[in-house]
Amino acid sequence: AQKITQTQPGMFVQEKEAVTLDCTYDTSDQSYGLFWYKQPSSGEMIFLIYQGSYDEQNATEGRYSLNFQKARKSANLVISASQLGDSAMYFCAMRVGSGYKLSFGAGTTVTVRA
Amino acid sequence: GAGVSQTPSNKVTEKGKYVELRCDPISGHTALYWYRQSLGQGPEFLIYFQGTGAADDSGLPNDRFFAVRPEGSVSTLKIQRTERGDSAVYLCASSLIGADTQYFGPGTRLTVL
Repeated sequence: AQKITQTQPGMFVQEKEAVTLDCTYDTSDQSYGLFWYKQPSSGEMIFLIYQGSYDEQNATEGRYSLNFQKARKSANLVISASQLGDSAMYFCAMRVGSGYKLSFGAGTTVTVRA
Repeated sequence: GAGVSQTPSNKVTEKGKYVELRCDPISGHTALYWYRQSLGQGPEFLIYFQGTGAADDSGLPNDRFFAVRPEGSVSTLKIQRTERGDSAVYLCASSLIGADTQYFGPGTRLTVL
């Protein structure tokens, strides 16, 4: 079975600073995809960034970057230059092989302080 | 273009009643997924549609849960004889077949009293 672990239930970050959200995963498959989603208080899951297991470069999307360390089975999300609107719940998720199910971690709540 | 929409946004029902939750995917997305998110947890997979057929319903918790997608677009999740433990946010997502990224709707918050 695939498992995603997010060990930080909540984090505070000062506006304009960077924050790193931890995610470790467990799978025996060689082919997999890792995702980060943002869930504001409105409830909608917003796709942020994707990393494939065979991608050699770390994924980046604007202020979001994924620190992919395959040997350690970690896929940490880095949010640079935090903004008040970044306050939300963040979920790490994994899809394995040619499958389609996403397995999600428990999430990390980020609160950005002015 | 329009994203995934879900109706109703909130549903309150009494134990034992029947409910239907609707999902309208992004136009052209042939893959559709339902997930359930309990309070304080990440979403859990329920069912996956490829076109009109349920390709994988292994996440449905029991036979009180059923979902359809008769024309390959809109999907309805149906819950019979609701129980208090069914209270959760039900999320729908869609994607292109073979695409990695699933796009989620705003969810339906179901409360069973």
